Amino acid sequence: DAGVTQSPTHLIKTRGQQVTLRCSPKSGHDTVSWYQQALGQGPQFIFQYYEEEERQRGNFPDRFSGHQFPNYSSELNVNALLLGDSALYLCASRQQGVIAGAFFGQGTRLTVV
Amino acid sequence: AQSVAQPEDQVNVAEGNPLTVKCTYSVSGNPYLFWYVQYPNRGLQFLLKYITGDNLVKGSYGFEAEFNKSQTSFHLKKPSALVSDSALYFCAVRDMNNNAGNMLTFGGGTRLMVKP
Repeated sequence: DAGVTQSPTHLIKTRGQQVTLRCSPKSGHDTVSWYQQALGQGPQFIFQYYEEEERQRGNFPDRFSGHQFPNYSSELNVNALLLGDSALYLCASRQQGVIAGAFFGQGTRLTVV
Repeated sequence: AQSVAQPEDQVNVAEGNPLTVKCTYSVSGNPYLFWYVQYPNRGLQFLLKYITGDNLVKGSYGFEAEFNKSQTSFHLKKPSALVSDSALYFCAVRDMNNNAGNMLTFGGGTRLMVKP
């Protein structure tokens, strides 16, 4: 079992560009959440996807959008990148209805220059 | 709204000594509580959770945590620290009330330094 896998591991983008990050959940998991972790801070919830729909959203602007595919994998898209979007982006998966600790991927380190 | 506070940015302890990493929380309903550990350039690894039942929860790598409802705390503990325990530790809370959603709210993290 590969666990939660994210790609790419590192990414450098220019301010104003768009970026897409990808996540494959742990086998058997159907719910995917995305978190942003700025340097020296705890992760901040961006949004959660279940049954291919956004179910809950944190305090992030509309520049942040996502998608979930029928195989439960997910994408995070960020438009009009700002320098402040530089962070570690973490994907977490779990099985809906099961109260357990979410499994996190290793993250994608995004640097906006 | 739910929140988590980790009052110590860093905890220093000698190898073999007991360690405590503090966490307090705030939720409107009853909490689900979690501890995660993060090693450099890595994602979060789940350590343990409190859902209901016994206030003392045992988790991975010899860690345990004690839920105290009156003090709204969930401190992480280990009887004997190892140098390899040195990492960043995060406490997280989720409100049991499903209307609050399933999001985890994390504290700012505590860096644990275990010295030989």
